[in-house]
Amino acid sequence: KNQVEQSPQSLIILEGKNCTLQCNYTVSPFSNLRWYKQDTGRGPVSLTIMTFSENTKSNGRYTATLDADTKQSSLHITASQLSDSASYICVVSAGQAGTALIFGKGTTLSVSS
Amino acid sequence: EAGVTQFPSHSVIEKGQTVTLRCDPISGHDNLYWYRRVMGKEIKFLLHFVKESKQDESGMPNNRFLAERTGGTYSTLKVQPAELEDSGVYFCASSRPAGTSNEQFFGPGTRLTVL
Repeated sequence: KNQVEQSPQSLIILEGKNCTLQCNYTVSPFSNLRWYKQDTGRGPVSLTIMTFSENTKSNGRYTATLDADTKQSSLHITASQLSDSASYICVVSAGQAGTALIFGKGTTLSVSS
Repeated sequence: EAGVTQFPSHSVIEKGQTVTLRCDPISGHDNLYWYRRVMGKEIKFLLHFVKESKQDESGMPNNRFLAERTGGTYSTLKVQPAELEDSGVYFCASSRPAGTSNEQFFGPGTRLTVL
């Protein structure tokens, strides 16, 4: 069964601190892995997309890693800001076309001052 | 470039009633997707249009759900008759034609509450 598991479920950190969110997946056939940020009341917004051959990808203060052998990914947020408070969702796309998205439940991050 | 828009943002209906959700994709995006997030669960795929054709509707829960995309522009998702378990947030997403980036851009969602 295609599944995406994320940890932790929620996280509270102080502004300026770093944090790392984890994602494990069992999806076949694997096409790519995406991290989305979802603010309250908004739709998910893509942060990074990584294919099988990519180990790391950065987008500003966000850095995602992918280990296709162990089927694990992480999202590292550097120097957190209050605006980083959101749900971070790991999404794996399956199939040749990569259009079938399998979502994790997300990690809710709260950044406090 | 305008984003994906959805209407209404919220809908509260009684069990047995009918509700129609609308999604306007980004102009030029042939691919349109519907997803749903039930409280406490992950977002799940419902169906995928390529232009006006249903490419994949394997995620549709049952025949009370009907999606259309006449003319290949906006799409509607009708629930008739609505049941309590249909409550959740319905997201629409769109992406460019095949052969280009398949990044999906999401709308803000419609929160449906069935009482």
